[in-house]
Formats: sequence, structure tokens, C-alpha cells
Amino acid sequence: QVQLVESGGGLVRPGGSLRLSCETSGFIFSDYHMSWIRQAPGMGLEWVSSIKSSGTTVYYADSVKGRFTISRDNAKSSLYLQMNSLRHEDRAVYYCVRAAGSGSYDYWGQGALVTVSS
Amino acid sequence: SYVLTQPPSVSVAPGQTAKITCGASNIGSNSVHWYQQTPGQAPVLVIYYDSERPSGIPERFSGSNSGNTATLTITRVEAGDEADYYCQVWHGSSDHVVFGGGTKLTVL
Repeated sequence: QVQLVESGGGLVRPGGSLRLSCETSGFIFSDYHMSWIRQAPGMGLEWVSSIKSSGTTVYYADSVKGRFTISRDNAKSSLYLQMNSLRHEDRAVYYCVRAAGSGSYDYWGQGALVTVSS
Repeated sequence: SYVLTQPPSVSVAPGQTAKITCGASNIGSNSVHWYQQTPGQAPVLVIYYDSERPSGIPERFSGSNSGNTATLTITRVEAGDEADYYCQVWHGSSDHVVFGGGTKLTVL
């Protein structure tokens, strides 16, 4: 079965860095575009970043562009999100998600909590 | 930026029909996807390509999309349908994924 497992969340000070990882299994990772989506406490869903299956094309929300970097290792079936210059407003649960051919997100991880606080 | 507008809340009695809207300029020209999220859980895809249901999603869930409004319809609403619902599109002009603000469905 398809599994997406995030890790790397935690507490970081404003201005600090954190790297999220997402280990996947149960499907051919290199065939799928992948994304990160976040949800601040009590708030709605916010798209963060997407990467095409080959890894050559990436997209970012305006709120994170220049601070976050999405990447993938198809040999390891893993997705990453390097987060730099973290701000209070980056505090959220970060979900690793698989993009279906329709552009929808058909599988979601359980989420990784990132807390930014001094 | 492209904004998807959802009502913050919708209330419906058990057995009745719930309609949750997602409005945006010419949204009918985009493919709209819908997610259900219960407290403490990751979202679940319930409708893709405007009106298609993933396997395992009950037929009570349906969708439509035309003009400036997309609609998620849940017939014969059950207590277990109480959740937050989000619409989503890929906005090609900006290369951005956009989510609606979410609608809390309350089953009375």
C-alpha cells in the first residue's frame, strides 16, 4: 500500500533552519509529481511547493520562495524540504503529498509539526 | 492571485443534502478537486476532476463545476460526514496550487 512518512519536524528559533524528509513506499516514486502542503494550527490548507517527477521543475508559493527548497531523490523514493530563515508564520503541520495525474492529491502523509519560537 | 471562496460553515440535518460551494472567476475552466478533513487527520480526496470519485468514496458525494462556481454535494448526510471540506485547483497562469479557505460542515 502507498505510504508517505514525514520526519524532521521540531522546534526551531526564528531565523533558523530545518529539513523535512518524506520516505515513500508502495508506488513507483519516480513516476509521480510530489508536493508539500502545510496547515497552521486551526487554519486551512496552504500549498507550499511542488516538484515534478524528474526533479527538474519546481514551484513555490510566494510566501516561501527564496527561503524554502524542495528536492527529491528518486533512487531513495524520498522527498525533501529545506526550510531556511524560518518565521513564526511558518509554524504548521507539513504534509508530504502525492500528486495524481488529475492534479489532485491522492495520498497524504500523517504530517510533521514545525514550531518556530524563541 | 487566484482566490477560491468557500462559505465558512454549512449546517444540515441528518438525511438531508449538503451543498458546499467554491467560487472564483471562471472556475469552470479549471479542474476542481475536493478534500475532506476530520479533526487530527490528514485530508482525504473525495472528488477529483470536478465530479469523479476516488475508489472507496460513497456515491453520496458528487461534484459539479460551471461558470464561476464549483459545488460539492453530499446527499443523505450522515453524522460521519461532519468535517472540514476544501476545494483546490491548479492555477496554470501562476503555476500555483490554490486551496479554498475551507468549509466546516456541521450535521445537526
